[in-house]
Amino acid sequence: GAGVSQTPSNKVTEKGKYVELRCDPISGHTALYWYRQSLGQGPEFLIYFQGTGAADDSGLPNDRFFAVRPEGSVSTLKIQRTERGDSAVYLCASSLVLGGMQYFGPGTRLTVL
Amino acid sequence: EDKVVQSPLSLVVHEGDTVTLNCSYEVTNFRSLLWYKQEKKAPTFLFMLTSSGIEKKSGRLSSILDKKELSSILNITATQTGDSAIYLCAVASDQGGKLIFGQGTELSVKP
Repeated sequence: GAGVSQTPSNKVTEKGKYVELRCDPISGHTALYWYRQSLGQGPEFLIYFQGTGAADDSGLPNDRFFAVRPEGSVSTLKIQRTERGDSAVYLCASSLVLGGMQYFGPGTRLTVL
Repeated sequence: EDKVVQSPLSLVVHEGDTVTLNCSYEVTNFRSLLWYKQEKKAPTFLFMLTSSGIEKKSGRLSSILDKKELSSILNITATQTGDSAIYLCAVASDQGGKLIFGQGTELSVKP
């Protein structure tokens, strides 16, 4: 079956702009996770959803970052007033239940010029 | 603060060699430890180790969890060029679903 998909695969933007990154989880998976991976580092947790609600957003670095999952399936990570330090690969994962095996998408490489 | 540390950070070997990758952790309420292989962008699952399953094997890959030493190793025997990748170790705690990752070990297998 289809795995986790993320769009766009690459996004180049200018400092100060707003961006949206999309994640389509595996069908039927109730939990969805966002991670950020900087060059040479492991993924860093940002936020996860159980259904429509954000169960833990403690990893969001500041209030420029926000994520939604309005219907309990697709999720959008939103970054306002982008900064060069936001440049990274943003990974999304989903699991059948919270705490279950996480399956990762191919990520979105964000470059802020 | 919860922490996962991997070593070495990078490793270059020749085909046919055996490698051992290390992972140590300090996590409140440990639940499981996972190993992922990352080629290009998407990490792909290798093993999950828990208190009830401290040793796993799949083909040339195997992994052991040492709960006393708070560590794990990933062994790859008879390495092939296709094993070249970043290997990530992650730990899940009872405090929700998030994974805490180490920095990764970049393995390069030369022909």
